[in-house]
Amino acid sequence: AQSVTQLDSQVPVFEEAPVELRCNYSSSVSVYLFWYVQYPNQGLQLLLKYLSGSTLVESINGFEAEFNKSQTSFHLRKPSVHISDTAEYFCAVTDTGRRALTFGSGTRLQVQP
Amino acid sequence: DGGITQSPKYLFRKEGQNVTLSCEQNLNHDAMYWYRQDPGQGLRLIYYSQIVNDFQKGDIAEGYSVSREKKESFPLTVTSAQKNPTAFYLCASSSLTSGNQPQHFGDGTRLSIL
Repeated sequence: AQSVTQLDSQVPVFEEAPVELRCNYSSSVSVYLFWYVQYPNQGLQLLLKYLSGSTLVESINGFEAEFNKSQTSFHLRKPSVHISDTAEYFCAVTDTGRRALTFGSGTRLQVQP
Repeated sequence: DGGITQSPKYLFRKEGQNVTLSCEQNLNHDAMYWYRQDPGQGLRLIYYSQIVNDFQKGDIAEGYSVSREKKESFPLTVTSAQKNPTAFYLCASSSLTSGNQPQHFGDGTRLSIL
């Protein structure tokens, strides 16, 4: 069985400061990893994904995540956050047998002016 | 534009009543999923379907039922057997051409008890 742990339920940060949202997973097989973002009362939007190849993946809005197999981690980072980044962020791993996602419990990023 | 449409956005259920949540997609995706979201618990899988007329239970299927009569549609019924139905319900879909395809999500239905 797979599981995902997001260690921080809330992360407050000031605007233009760097941020890291932590994600660790457990799995006995090869994994595909995803970060999704959710704004209030909306569905989830894909932020970025690791499938294979380079362990560093980037999104179009400045976020990046690094796949670390030895530490079973996929932490999300941004060097300088904006107010508009305030949202909840979910880390997820695929279960290739059924193709459904296993989600972490989410991290609420609160960007303060 | 292609996407997933969930309706209604808000839904209220009375005691002993079954309610059905609609999910329609025009992405031509084979697989569709239903998740339940509760505060602080992330998303949990209720049911999923990879092909028309076939579906499988997820982690928390008790008290729910689904059907997949058309590729585009995957309605979820919350039955009276579900004793704690208050939650945010999200429908998703994905292509099965590759196992690493991300899932696309609808905007959700918020279900509350009267």
